[in-house]
Amino acid sequence: GQNIDQPTEMTATEGAIVQINCTYQTSGFNGLFWYQQHAGEAPTFLSYNVLDGLEEKGRFSSFLSRSKGYSYLLLKELQMKDSASYLCAVADSNYQLIWGAGTKLIIKP
Amino acid sequence: GAVVSQHPSWVICKSGTSVKIECRSLDFQATTMFWYRQFPKQSLMLMATSNEGSKATYEQGVEKDKFLINHASLTLSTLTVTSAHPEDSSFYICSARDGSDYEQYFGPGTRLTVT
Repeated sequence: GQNIDQPTEMTATEGAIVQINCTYQTSGFNGLFWYQQHAGEAPTFLSYNVLDGLEEKGRFSSFLSRSKGYSYLLLKELQMKDSASYLCAVADSNYQLIWGAGTKLIIKP
Repeated sequence: GAVVSQHPSWVICKSGTSVKIECRSLDFQATTMFWYRQFPKQSLMLMATSNEGSKATYEQGVEKDKFLINHASLTLSTLTVTSAHPEDSSFYICSARDGSDYEQYFGPGTRLTVT
């Protein structure tokens, strides 16, 4: 079966760094996406990894290891507005997105 | 670029009535559109995938006669919830993808409340 695992909830302090992990088992792999979703809003795109390694984009970075079926999203210099759910999704062999349940990130002052 | 709109953004309807939700790609041609449903504190659940000009492919457990999807043009897809019931109350989100991009661009979502 297809499966995406990520922690349900994480808490971090404003100004700190947090890493959100995602492991996956899918039928085929055509890339891994990270989306941010604030409560009551639609998801917004953060990153896309299809090759192994680290992709950096401002305060956010995303890492992928295809051999390990593993990715993480790294958020630096956390701000209160980063409080949201972070969704990991994998495009399978049919380019259909398989979604994780999301990680709710709580930022404390 | 890559903007997707949804209308209405929220709707309240009475049990037994039908509700139509529109999803439009404003600045690109969406060869594929996706409809999701999200219940509070849960992740996105794919309901169906539609390609322009063809019938939608529904996920297991989603009633095709209840959730009618029409993707008549490269910029518009509609989801009609027929004979709505309170358990259909949810956040409905569409996304769209053009033929050359793997990324899905999401609409802002429609919050449906059935009383």
